[in-house]
Amino acid sequence: DTAVSQTPKYLVTQMGNDKSIKCEQNLGHDTMYWYKQDSKKFLKIMFSYNNKELIINETVPNRFSPKSPDKAHLNLHINSLELGDSAVYFCASSQDRFGYTFGSGTRLTVV
Amino acid sequence: AQSVTQPDIHITVSEGASLELRCNYSYGATPYLFWYVQSPGQGLQLLLKYFSGDTLVQGIKGFEAEFKRSQSSFNLRKPSVHWSDAAEYFCAVGERYNNNDMRFGAGTRLTVKP
Repeated sequence: DTAVSQTPKYLVTQMGNDKSIKCEQNLGHDTMYWYKQDSKKFLKIMFSYNNKELIINETVPNRFSPKSPDKAHLNLHINSLELGDSAVYFCASSQDRFGYTFGSGTRLTVV
Repeated sequence: AQSVTQPDIHITVSEGASLELRCNYSYGATPYLFWYVQSPGQGLQLLLKYFSGDTLVQGIKGFEAEFKRSQSSFNLRKPSVHWSDAAEYFCAVGERYNNNDMRFGAGTRLTVKP
């Protein structure tokens, strides 16, 4: 069983489209996150949700919106996609201070 | 806020040689420290973590790291590198009372020569 699963693994789309990436964790963790990894491998936190409450939002454009229907899911919706949104997006979850468990990533390519 | 620096962007070592990857952090108190590994096309996997106690921590895959408060460092080591260790390595620091805000270094890419 995959602990943190995200879909799709690859996403190619045109500029201006709206897309969503889904994430689910079966670890019972309280907090989930979205990270963006750019072409230079730099990881930047975008959002985190704790018990369905947004607690971090790191200057991310409002075209990006996290949606958490329940504690086990944190989806990322992106409106009006731009070329600069091309990156790998990672979902992660954590419980207290024990480190993060990451999904395998979604490679988004905007053409 | 906390921050972490990995001074080496890319390191190449020969298979069987020893490895040390550097990590320096900035934080006002004793932080939580982590090392993650990312294989090509994969997500990040936790190698080891430090919270308190013994400053030398053991992780998976034969890795260890040593917390040195005086140097604000948490360097990752392995006595003998295997070709399968080639990957990207990330050091991360979390606040002691808020693990919901963990910051990652820029990563060090490890290449292993036959």
